[in-house]
Amino acid sequence: SAVISQKPSRDICQRGTSLTIQCQVDSQVTMMFWYRQQPGQSLTLIATANQGSEATYESGFVIDKFPISRPNLTFSTLTVSNMSPEDSSIYLCSVAGTGLGLSRNTIYFGEGSWLTVV
Amino acid sequence: AQSVTQPDIHITVSEGASLELRCNYSYGATPYLFWYVQSPGQGLQLLLKYFSGDTLVQGIKGFEAEFKRSQSSFNLRKPSVHWSDAAEYFCAVSTGNQFYFGTGTSLTVIP
Repeated sequence: SAVISQKPSRDICQRGTSLTIQCQVDSQVTMMFWYRQQPGQSLTLIATANQGSEATYESGFVIDKFPISRPNLTFSTLTVSNMSPEDSSIYLCSVAGTGLGLSRNTIYFGEGSWLTVV
Repeated sequence: AQSVTQPDIHITVSEGASLELRCNYSYGATPYLFWYVQSPGQGLQLLLKYFSGDTLVQGIKGFEAEFKRSQSSFNLRKPSVHWSDAAEYFCAVSTGNQFYFGTGTSLTVIP
């Protein structure tokens, strides 16, 4: 399958600061998503990253808090703004659709970025 | 609305014993069905998937799953569990455009 790389893999952040997570895929993909997984919880979709346009956010998530960029078909960033301890989570980049090493209608995940806000 | 239910929050099995993790879904048609595994400190890895055809699908690491339309279930099985199988397991459903995940089942393997 496609290789999905996320940076940073882990970080400890100060309250009130912002952090940008990068997601790089080794092939062009049609769909990219950002998920949040709070401790001991399942996955919650934050938004769909749209290439060349604004991301599509799910209910409960807003652009001011989680700005997303997707300048091309292989790269996306998620920023977690003005962080609070409640933002301590795993943030997962995922891809789906067609692309080298991908199977249609299947979602694949990066290794995740583990953020702890203190 | 679509939903995925994993009734077992946590399961403990002995190494070498068989395993079955349950998954039920709610969807009007036959969805795409998946199982993912998340080892500690890792992202989610695709174990197997079902789209159509043979209702018993084989995956990686010796796992298999059976789709039962009449029960709206897609249970994951392994005949003999290894200590390295200790992880969180997520069942997922896709309608083609959206993906829905269960709450996960945590597997502990004891010697």
